[in-house]
Amino acid sequence: KAGVTQTPRYLIKTRGQQVTLSCSPISGHRSVSWYQQTPGQGLQFLFEYFSETQRNKGNFPGRFSGRQFSNSRSEMNVSTLELGDSALYLCASSLVLGRETQYFGPGTRLLVL
Amino acid sequence: KQEVTQIPAALSVPEGENLVLNCSFTDSAIYNLQWFRQDPGKGLTSLLLIQSSQREQTSGRLNASLDKSSGRSTLYIAASQPGDSATYLCAVSPQTGANNLFFGTGTRLTVIP
Repeated sequence: KAGVTQTPRYLIKTRGQQVTLSCSPISGHRSVSWYQQTPGQGLQFLFEYFSETQRNKGNFPGRFSGRQFSNSRSEMNVSTLELGDSALYLCASSLVLGRETQYFGPGTRLLVL
Repeated sequence: KQEVTQIPAALSVPEGENLVLNCSFTDSAIYNLQWFRQDPGKGLTSLLLIQSSQREQTSGRLNASLDKSSGRSTLYIAASQPGDSATYLCAVSPQTGANNLFFGTGTRLTVIP
């Protein structure tokens, strides 16, 4: 069974631009969560989706948004990029909410110049 | 707010040694605890998941224990190998069963051949 895939793997953007990242969960998984990883803050939860509904959101500004499609694929969008948004963005999928192991993708590394 | 701490931050051991990584969390109201490994620049690989009602889980040379009341977990690695070199992260999920994992800062393990 294919794992979690994320595209693109690398991105370079400039301040003020916006970016969209994509995540395809493991087949059959309905829950997708997003995390930001930086050297200073470590791994921080962004939001989670289940059955196309946002179920939970972390403490990030409104510039960070996401959505989930009927096939469980998810996208996250960051508008008006700031230098501090440079990070590794990871998504994870699981069968259901909270009871199962979460499987992580390889991440998208975003560099904001 | 849940805080997760991992000690030590870095550890170097000669090949073949047994070792223990520590994880502590401030709020014992957790649903489960997971241990992950992360190779440089890569995503997270799930190693073990312990439900809050369990005391330990084993997989091959890995054994994880959980003492929920004291807010502690340990990951025991037997007969370490150079391939075990990675950063090890523990993460707890809230009792609500939501997928917003709270991650520790990680222990960077180096196994010297």
